[in-house]
Amino acid sequence: KAGVTQTPRYLIKTRGQQVTLSCSPISGHRSVSWYQQTPGQGLQFLFEYFSETQRNKGNFPGRFSGRQFSNSRSEMNVSTLELGDSALYLCASSSARTGVGYTFGSGTRLTVV
Amino acid sequence: GESVGLHLPTLSVQEGDNSIINCAYSNSASDYFIWYKQESGKGPQFIIDIRSNMDKRQGQRVTVLLNKTVKHLSLQIAATQPGDSAVYFCAETQAGTALIFGKGTTLSVSS
Repeated sequence: KAGVTQTPRYLIKTRGQQVTLSCSPISGHRSVSWYQQTPGQGLQFLFEYFSETQRNKGNFPGRFSGRQFSNSRSEMNVSTLELGDSALYLCASSSARTGVGYTFGSGTRLTVV
Repeated sequence: GESVGLHLPTLSVQEGDNSIINCAYSNSASDYFIWYKQESGKGPQFIIDIRSNMDKRQGQRVTVLLNKTVKHLSLQIAATQPGDSAVYFCAETQAGTALIFGKGTTLSVSS
């Protein structure tokens, strides 16, 4: 079966712009989580959605937001981009509630210039 | 084989050696632990997991050991192969909370 699909794979944006990243989970998976990966901070949790409801949120500023649609697809948005937002953004889906059986996508590489 | 008692950011081994990658987790209430492998340009890939009611779990060429007393997790890879070269992360979670990832260890296997 198809894995977790993240689009786009690469993105270059200018400071101050906003960006929307997309994640299509594995068919039947209702839980989607987002992580930010940087060399300095490693993998950090952004938020988790289950059946269109945000269940958990990490310690990120309000410029980072997300949502989940009725088909479980999820988007995350970052507004007023800063250079420090440059990172690999990873999406993971699971059929379970949280943390169990996560499958990760290959990520979206965001570069802010 | 190569082993490390504390977390090290890199581990270099020869093909055929056994590798041991260590991880210290942060939350004594965590009840589920996972090891992930991340290759260049890809997302983390599940290797093996263990619940807090177990001390050891074996998979194909991999074994995870859990020591709850000192909040320590280790991943043992038997007969390490060049294809095992990657960054390895441990992750912990408590029911209802998100995965918390540890610092990764880059495993380099030379033939």
